[in-house]
Amino acid sequence: EAGVAQSPRYKIIEKRQSVAFWCNPISGHATLYWYQQILGQGPKLLIQFQNNGVVDDSQLPKDRFSAERLKGVDSTLKIQPAKLEDSAVYLCASSLDPGDSYGYTFGSGTRLTVV
Amino acid sequence: GENVEQHPSTLSVQEGDSAVIKCTYSDSASNYFPWYKQELGKGPQLIIDIRSNVGEKKDQRIAVTLNKTAKHFSLHITETQPEDSAVYFCAATLNSGYSTLTFGKGTMLLVSP
Repeated sequence: EAGVAQSPRYKIIEKRQSVAFWCNPISGHATLYWYQQILGQGPKLLIQFQNNGVVDDSQLPKDRFSAERLKGVDSTLKIQPAKLEDSAVYLCASSLDPGDSYGYTFGSGTRLTVV
Repeated sequence: GENVEQHPSTLSVQEGDSAVIKCTYSDSASNYFPWYKQELGKGPQLIIDIRSNVGEKKDQRIAVTLNKTAKHFSLHITETQPEDSAVYFCAATLNSGYSTLTFGKGTMLLVSP
């Protein structure tokens, strides 16, 4: 079974620029998550999708972050404009169903550096 | 919401020694407690988990214990090997509905040959 695919692996941008990350979950996984992992900390949930609908975006900084999951498969996370404190690894994860924590699978992440 | 505290933040052991990482959680409703291993440049990978209806679970050199009364759970690694070196995260959740995992801050384990 193919894992969760993410791209790009690395991205370096200047502050105030825009950036987008892409995630392709495991086939058949209805639930998709974006996490932010700041260096030295555990992953923090940004947004959770169930198919193409948003279930939880309470911790997403909506003034600069946006995410979509068209057709309930791939997802993109965008930051516009980026700030220095957005430097982090952005992890995508998927699971078969909501609340199916047993089946969480993470991608390798995108490491963002804002300079 | 759930809050998970994890310690120590770093742990150095000699190859062959045992390592123990401890976590506490705040929400007594949480019922699922996974442990993840994250190697450099990779996403977290599930290594073992425990549900609230059991007190201990073992898988070869790895074991997890859960004390629901005290709201803490621990990861035990015996006969450590250099390849065990990584960052380990504990997490907690109520495994139902739309609940999601809340992670600890991680423990960097260094196993010296």
